[in-house]
Amino acid sequence: EPEVTQTPSHQVTQMGQEVILRCVPISNHLYFYWYRQILGQKVEFLVSFYNNEISEKSEIFDDQFSVERPDGSNFTLKIRSTKLEDSAMYFCASMRGRQGSEQYFGPGTRLTVT
Amino acid sequence: GIQVEQSPPDLILQEGANSTLRCNFSDSVNNLQWFHQNPWGQLINLFYIPSGTKQNGRLSATTVATERYSLLYISSSQTTDSGVYFCAVTIYNQGGKLIFGQGTELSVKP
Repeated sequence: EPEVTQTPSHQVTQMGQEVILRCVPISNHLYFYWYRQILGQKVEFLVSFYNNEISEKSEIFDDQFSVERPDGSNFTLKIRSTKLEDSAMYFCASMRGRQGSEQYFGPGTRLTVT
Repeated sequence: GIQVEQSPPDLILQEGANSTLRCNFSDSVNNLQWFHQNPWGQLINLFYIPSGTKQNGRLSATTVATERYSLLYISSSQTTDSGVYFCAVTIYNQGGKLIFGQGTELSVKP
């Protein structure tokens, strides 16, 4: 069964460094998402991406964040200059078609900023 | 914005017991999903259930969209069922983003 994959599973970085989190969505899916979960809290929406552009972003997704689909398979989240409060689990998700369809989640990347 | 409320926030069960987790939402939805977050932090998709009833082994779920709630039933619980259960919804014309509840933390004791 196709699945969403994410790399790395865990990344440790120093404050102020740039990080890129990578996701490979399911191949025939058209909608892509990033979510974040700070330890002990609920999962929060960051950004959605469709047709090679951002379709919606939350207030968390400020200028430090960017997303890209550099080729036909990868979907990346970049944090330009990490802060301590960026430490969280980051989940990528993809969805095949119309809004309201099932979203499939990757296993997550745990980001630790020291 | 839409409110997604889960109850109870915490639940402790003895192995073999049954439980019901509830998810209430404050607006009409076009998607509802139940997830189990395992000890490694992964979100395991349990059900995609915008309406109706589904069963998968010892787990089943029911969504009554007109009354804005969903229930997740766990029967004959096992220690491996421990973890946090989240429901998440999307609402019409809101871009498809999932809005998560706060979760129910389930602990099953041997």
